[in-house]
Amino acid sequence: GDSVTQMEGPVTLSEEAFLTINCTYTATGYPSLFWYVQYPGEGLQLLLKATKADDKGSNKGFEATYRKETTSFHLEKGSVQVSDSAVYFCGRNAGNMLTFGGGTRLMVKP
Amino acid sequence: SQTIHQWPATLVQPVGSPLSLECTVEGTSNPNLYWYRQAAGRGLQLLFYSVGIGQISSEVPQNLSASRPQDRQFILSSKKLLLSDSGFYLCAWSIEGYGYTFGSGTRLTVV
Repeated sequence: GDSVTQMEGPVTLSEEAFLTINCTYTATGYPSLFWYVQYPGEGLQLLLKATKADDKGSNKGFEATYRKETTSFHLEKGSVQVSDSAVYFCGRNAGNMLTFGGGTRLMVKP
Repeated sequence: SQTIHQWPATLVQPVGSPLSLECTVEGTSNPNLYWYRQAAGRGLQLLFYSVGIGQISSEVPQNLSASRPQDRQFILSSKKLLLSDSGFYLCAWSIEGYGYTFGSGTRLTVV
């Protein structure tokens, strides 16, 4: 079935470090791909999305490119801040179903 | 603009008690509605989704049920809660599967 796999956390970085959170998806159909962020004690917020191959989603300094050849949608940021500490979820949507990866906790230390 | 309301924000219930969590959406018609659960330290699990009034699809057989009595209302219920029902419950809506908007969540603790 449809699934999303993302790297397990926690990921601990120092402020201004480069961030990569890997995400791969099953290639059934032509899904849209998403990254959501969950700050402590809150619900999920859409961070960025891409709807077709080679699209790049970007927001708040985060980027992810829809790679059909590697079925990946890795999240990157060039310089993380303490305020980026949160749980990040990769998701794929096909039809009426949004399936998430297990989430990756990011902790940024000053 | 579209908004989604989910309540209560936190809930502590004894084992064996009933549950009712409500989610309502404003500013849109005929949305797809979803209930997700996030257990402690784990990812998001899709529990139920609905594409219309009275239409419920269950992804994971368990102690919970869902109902959609009105177009923009989605209710998550249980007749008897188990300890394993503890978690963070999130309601979401979407139109044509393009984008999903989540509510602020309900943190349920079963004691």
